[in-house]
Formats: sequence, structure tokens, C-alpha cells
Amino acid sequence: GQQLNQSPQSMFIQEGEDVSMNCTSSSIFNTWLWYKQDPGEGPVLLIALYKAGELTSNGRLTAQFGITRKDSFLNISASIPSDVGIYFCAGQLGYGGSQGNLIFGKGTKLSVKP
Amino acid sequence: DTEVTQTPKHLVMGMTNKKSLKCEQHMGHRAMYWYKQKAKKPPELMFVYSYEKLSINESVPSRFSPECPNSSLLNLHLHALQPEDSALYLCASSHYGQPQHFGDGTRLSIL
Repeated sequence: GQQLNQSPQSMFIQEGEDVSMNCTSSSIFNTWLWYKQDPGEGPVLLIALYKAGELTSNGRLTAQFGITRKDSFLNISASIPSDVGIYFCAGQLGYGGSQGNLIFGKGTKLSVKP
Repeated sequence: DTEVTQTPKHLVMGMTNKKSLKCEQHMGHRAMYWYKQKAKKPPELMFVYSYEKLSINESVPSRFSPECPNSSLLNLHLHALQPEDSALYLCASSHYGQPQHFGDGTRLSIL
């Protein structure tokens, strides 16, 4: 089945630092999504991307849909303590039937530097 | 606050018990989903309902039985579960072609 490679698996952040993570796939997707999950909660949608090359921002978050449609990145600028959590990328082939299923990356865990 | 509401938040049950998980949304979404999530892993799709009809069953064991009584409600009936079924069970919903929105899940523990 399809797999997404998400990296890094984990990273430590210091307040004020910029953070970057990405997902790559061997297959093309028509939609890329980025979710954040806090402990004890469900994933929350951060950014949705629908078009190759699209660059979208949501506050301090910026994400891009790669030109090849096989990758996406998420940047967080000037990180703050509440940015800690697990970030998942998800790709979607299309709409309807199994094409609408989300393929998830394995997640990037953001923690505060000790 | 999530717009997809799941109850209960926590559930502990024995292997011979029968229980149900409930999910409710009032966003008019006509697609609803059940996912299973183990610790430190991404969600795994179990079932998809489209217009109250089961459209996808990802080879889930029959001890999990989904039900969609109406366009706002989704249930997951549990019977004779195994310890390895302990996990976070997430419900999600979406408009056709739009991103899925998740509830906060039910943390299930099987004794």
C-alpha cells in the first residue's frame, strides 16, 4: 500500500526557533493535509492544500504542496511552548470511495528543549 | 472545542462485555469515519459511512460492528474484544471532497 515518509520523527524546539518538517511519497496526491494532535485529544486540522505549488499560511504556520505532487512541507515560525505535540501529514488521492481515504505519515513529535 | 463529539471519553471493559461508542456531528457532513489509533502511531482507518451507508470496511474483525442511525450519529458496537484492541478510537466527519474533522476520541482499555 501507499506510504508517506515523514521527517523528522522527533525534534526539540527552543522558544523563538523556526521549525520545519516534511512528507514525501512515491505516489501522487491531489490533496495534502497537516494535522496537530495534543495528548488526550484528536487530530486538529491546521492547513489543507489542494493544488500543486500552493503555499498556504495559517498564522505562524506555512505549508506548501510540492510541484511534483509527491511532497509537502510545514514550517512553524517563532515557535512557542504550545506548539509541542505530534504533527501528522496526510495525503488524499481524490474524492469518493477509497480515493477519499487519508494516508497518514508516521508523525513528527515536537518537544521543548530541556 | 471540537465539533465532532465522542462519548464516552474513557471506557474500561472486560473481554466478555458488550459496549458501544458514540459519535455525533451537526455540521451536515454526510461522510463519517471510525479510526483506531495506537500510542505513538497515526490513525488507522476502520470504517467509512457515506450518506448513512457503509462504503468501506478495512477488513476489521466482526467483534467491531458499526452503525449509522442517521446523518448526525455514528456508533461502534463492541463485543468480545481482545487486549490488543485497547487503543484510542477516533471518529471523523467531512463534506464530500473536504478535509476530515476529528473528535477527541474514546480511550478504550480491555481488561
